[in-house]
Amino acid sequence: QLQLQESGSGLVKPSQTLSLTCAVSGGSISSGGYSWSWIRQPPGKGLEWIGYIYHSGSTYYNPSLKSRVTISVDRSKNQFSLKLSSVTAADTAVYYCARETYYDYNYYMDVWGKGTTVTVSS
Amino acid sequence: VIWMTQSPSLLSASTGDRVTISCRMSQGISSYLAWYQQKPGKAPELLIYAASTLQSGVPSRFSGSGSGTDFTLTISCLQSEDFATYYCQQYYSFPRTFGQGTKVEIK
Repeated sequence: QLQLQESGSGLVKPSQTLSLTCAVSGGSISSGGYSWSWIRQPPGKGLEWIGYIYHSGSTYYNPSLKSRVTISVDRSKNQFSLKLSSVTAADTAVYYCARETYYDYNYYMDVWGKGTTVTVSS
Repeated sequence: VIWMTQSPSLLSASTGDRVTISCRMSQGISSYLAWYQQKPGKAPELLIYAASTLQSGVPSRFSGSGSGTDFTLTISCLQSEDFATYYCQQYYSFPRTFGQGTKVEIK
């Protein structure tokens, strides 16, 4: 059974870069038909899609964050990563990684990590 | 960007009730809609995709309907484990967007 596990810096100073990794186990990140997403949730608020990397390596980012976001994949380690630069307090959130499955013209996030809390504070 | 309006934001109900949550799109998305359930401190879980297709393992008391701009999630007989927050999400276009969420609480 596929599992995802986020890890990374839990406390980031303003203006610095947030770095998170999502380790994939129980399956290959290079398998076709999947993309690998990042979603975040500020405290007490709703979900915001950050972006994804397709199994081929192509990426798509939320335009609201595009200038600050980089998502990459490390196939040798079966993991993918998120970097968010120039962070502010507004980037404080629980960050989730998720697998988006493509099936019959539908895309849905069917496997999620447990989430990791990132706080931006000096 | 496709905006989504979920209603109500808060729903108070009792075990055994039939509850309905609405999700309205700012433009038509055919049936490219998913529903997720999130419990406090947990990651969201997929309930429904393609507006009405139940994800494997999800109880049949959950159902989804709609197409175009108006969608509905129905829980036919609310159970104690269903008290949670529910989100709709469109995948018709980028960026993926979520509704604001509907919290289903115990009356």
